[in-house]
Amino acid sequence: KQEVTQIPAALSVPEGENLVLNCSFTDSAIYNLQWFRQDPGKGLTSLLLIQSSQREQTSGRLNASLDKSSGRSTLYIAASQPGDSATYLCAPSGGSYIPTFGRGTSLIVHP
Amino acid sequence: DAGVTQSPTHLIKTRGQQVTLRCSPKSGHDTVSWYQQALGQGPQFIFQYYEEEERQRGNFPDRFSGHQFPNYSSELNVNALLLGDSALYLCASSPVARGGYTFGSGTRLTVV
Repeated sequence: KQEVTQIPAALSVPEGENLVLNCSFTDSAIYNLQWFRQDPGKGLTSLLLIQSSQREQTSGRLNASLDKSSGRSTLYIAASQPGDSATYLCAPSGGSYIPTFGRGTSLIVHP
Repeated sequence: DAGVTQSPTHLIKTRGQQVTLRCSPKSGHDTVSWYQQALGQGPQFIFQYYEEEERQRGNFPDRFSGHQFPNYSSELNVNALLLGDSALYLCASSPVARGGYTFGSGTRLTVV
């Protein structure tokens, strides 16, 4: 059974900082990994999808890397803004193509 | 292009009642998955539907059942509601097995 751990569980930073959010998973036999953001009480918004053959994906100020062999993915957020405040979830998909979620990292960026 | 739409947005039910939640997938997507998210937790997989059949199921009791229609829309039914069923229920659709998932805004179910 896939287990997903996200560190740190919570993060509070001043605006402008570059951030690193970590995700580890126990079963490295994945087909892809997706990063999502979730605002309080809302649904999930997809940020980045990395296929197993890829090492990283970039979208604007966001960059996600994937090291499948070690069971790790990292989300980098450059020049953080208050609007980045949300919970960030990573979800690897294995042989069944079903994403498995951790508890996420709760991020607060204060002005 | 509409994304995944879920209805209703909020719902309050009494313990023991039954509830039906609805989901319309994103255009071009044929696979629908349902997740339950308790407060402070990550989403937990309930089941997935493809070609009108349940293809995968998570660790949820038979009180949770679903259906997929020919137009790919889906319903989640929960019978004999318990207080512990109170959660945000999320629907997600994907184009093919390896495609990324698109989530709806969820249905907040409160059981009293």
